[in-house]
Order: sequence, then C-alpha cells, then structure tokens
Amino acid sequence: DIQMTQSPSTLSASVGDRVTFTCRASQGISSWLAWYQQRPGKAPKLLIYKASSLGSGVPSRFSGSGSGAEFTLTISSLQPDDFATYYCQQYNTYPWTFGQGTKVEIK
Amino acid sequence: QLQLQESGPGLVKPSETLSLTCSVSGVSISSHNYYWGWIRQAPGKGLEWIGTIYYNGDTYYNASLKSRLTISLDTSKNQFSLRLSSVTAADTAVYFCGGAATISGLDYGGQGTQVTVSS
Repeated sequence: DIQMTQSPSTLSASVGDRVTFTCRASQGISSWLAWYQQRPGKAPKLLIYKASSLGSGVPSRFSGSGSGAEFTLTISSLQPDDFATYYCQQYNTYPWTFGQGTKVEIK
Repeated sequence: QLQLQESGPGLVKPSETLSLTCSVSGVSISSHNYYWGWIRQAPGKGLEWIGTIYYNGDTYYNASLKSRLTISLDTSKNQFSLRLSSVTAADTAVYFCGGAATISGLDYGGQGTQVTVSS
C-alpha cells in the first residue's frame, strides 16, 4: 500500500497568515492527489484534485502543487473558516490511502 | 450539481450486517467516467477508505474489509449501497459517501451517518 505522510501534524497560525502543508507519498503517484478540508462534525470537503486543480466553489486562496511523491497545499491568507483539519489522499493506486491529517489551530 | 445523502440505521448489533444507502441527485450513477465510494471515520481518528465502485459496476475494496464488504449500484433508484457483514465495535464510525468524475477525488457531499455497533 502507498503510505501518505503529512507534515506538520499541527500548525498554529493567525488570520491573514500564508500557510503551507506538505504531503509525501511512499512511492510516485503522478498527480493523482486530492486535498480535503474537514471541520469538526462535518464531511470532508474536496479542495484540490489532480494535485493542483481547484474543486468546485473553492476559494482561490487555496492552491496545490507537486507531482510524483511530494505535494503541497497553500492557503495564501488564512481566514476564520479555514481553521480545520486537512487531509491528503492518493487515488493513483488501489487501495486509496489518506494522510494522517494536519490540524490548523488559532495562534 | 452533484448531491449525495447517506441513510441507514444508526445502531447495529455485533455480528449483524450494516446496510447503508447513498442517494444521488444531479448526476446519473451510470454516467460514464464517474465513480462512487465510501469512507469512514472512527471516533477521534482519521479518514479510512472503504471502497469504490465505477459507473460500470467495477469495484475496489479495502483489503481489511473485503471479505465482509459489498458495494453495489441501483441504477433504477440512482443510489449505491454498502453492506458490511459480521460487524464488531471496530466498525463504529461515521460513514460518508461520495462521488465524482474519475479525474477527481471523491466529493463527499453528504453529512455522513453515524453507525454504532453495540448490543
């Protein structure tokens, strides 16, 4: 199985900050990577697919980059709604696998 | 616009079969190059992929669940379903259904449904 490792596990930031998370795959997955945002008690929301394509209705402050085995998610200016947990997931190879998540907390 | 809604019993007894349905609107589940699937989240834990079914009925399952799992399409109702047999407390989780064009990761548009396994 492909292991997905996210860093950091927790990130403390303030409204307006630019934040970047990393997701590493244990083997190459081309660009078949999605990023999700999950707020407590809610379903995961698709932010980015195919590593860099913005999901439907997702604000442009979110962007994704990378290919192969290393990927990043950037929020250009953190907003109050963005305090949540973020997961990466590879869908290059079955079984699909998620990273363990990065929790964004208020500083 | 794709909309999904999970339904099913919130409480299942150990050793019984969990059955969940995902009702889809906005897209036909038999649309070419779409897929559908389920993930779950145990209390305080991360996301676990359960399985994926393609528009043509092809399925892929999490190996740890494969012997107990069936995911199927019901094109007449535009729904897809999950059946997980011989459940234990370890299957207690919030279950989410999702769908998308195959270029994309699944969009989990539903609210999720809490399933508790307990006698």
